[in-house]
Amino acid sequence: IAGITQAPTSQILAAGRRMTLRCTQDMRHNAMYWYRQDLGLGLRLIHYSNTAGTTGKGEVPDGYSVSRANTDDFPLTLASAVPSQTSVYFCASSNEVGAGDTQYFGPGTRLTVL
Amino acid sequence: EDQVTQSPEALRLQEGESSSLNCSYTVSGLRGLFWYRQDPGKGPEFLFTLYSAGEEKEKERLKATLTKKESFLHITAPKPEDSATYLCAVQGTSGTYKYIFGTGTRLKVLA
Repeated sequence: IAGITQAPTSQILAAGRRMTLRCTQDMRHNAMYWYRQDLGLGLRLIHYSNTAGTTGKGEVPDGYSVSRANTDDFPLTLASAVPSQTSVYFCASSNEVGAGDTQYFGPGTRLTVL
Repeated sequence: EDQVTQSPEALRLQEGESSSLNCSYTVSGLRGLFWYRQDPGKGPEFLFTLYSAGEEKEKERLKATLTKKESFLHITAPKPEDSATYLCAVQGTSGTYKYIFGTGTRLKVLA
C-alpha cells in the first residue's frame, strides 16, 4: 500500500440501509478527514480526526459517524442512508490538523442511494 | 467568513497556448494555500503549497504564485495531458482545522 486506499470503489445502496466506507493510510499521518464532493459545491468536510481516539465534526456531519481506533484506519458510517447522501466521498490525511500541512487524498468512493 | 473563488469555471486552450487560472481568497490569516489537480473519477492530486505572499513554486509546465488576495496557477505551453480540473484550497488561522475549497477550474487542452 502506498498512500491512502478507500473501499469500495463504488456502491449502489437502498435508502434506509447502513453503509460503512473504509479508509486506510500508510503514511503514519496523525490527522484524517472525510469529504464529500458534489457538482457545483466543491469538497465539503464531513468529519475529521486529529489523532487516534479523537474525532470532530466538519461542515456537513449530519447522518454520518466516524471512529478512529488506530492511526491507519478512519471508517465513515451512514447509519440509515438517504438519497441526498448520493455523492463521491474522499478520505484524506495530513501530518497534523490546522498546521498548514498538506492533505493527501484517496481515490474516492462513488455512492448512489436510491 | 473564509471564502475561495476560482475563475474561470472552464477554460479551453490550444496545445502550446499559455494561460493562468485564478484563485481569489478571503481568510482571516493564511496558514497555507494549496493547489490540486483532479482527473475525472479520481481523487485530488497535490501540486503545490504556498504559505506567504510573494512565494512561487514550479513543477514542469506549472507555476503557482501568491499575493495577499489571490493565487495564480500559470500553465506554460500546455499539453493535452494537462487537461483536468484544478482545485484551490486555503487554510486560515482562525483556530479551526478547515480547508476551504474552491469549485475548481476545468481545463481542456486541445491537440
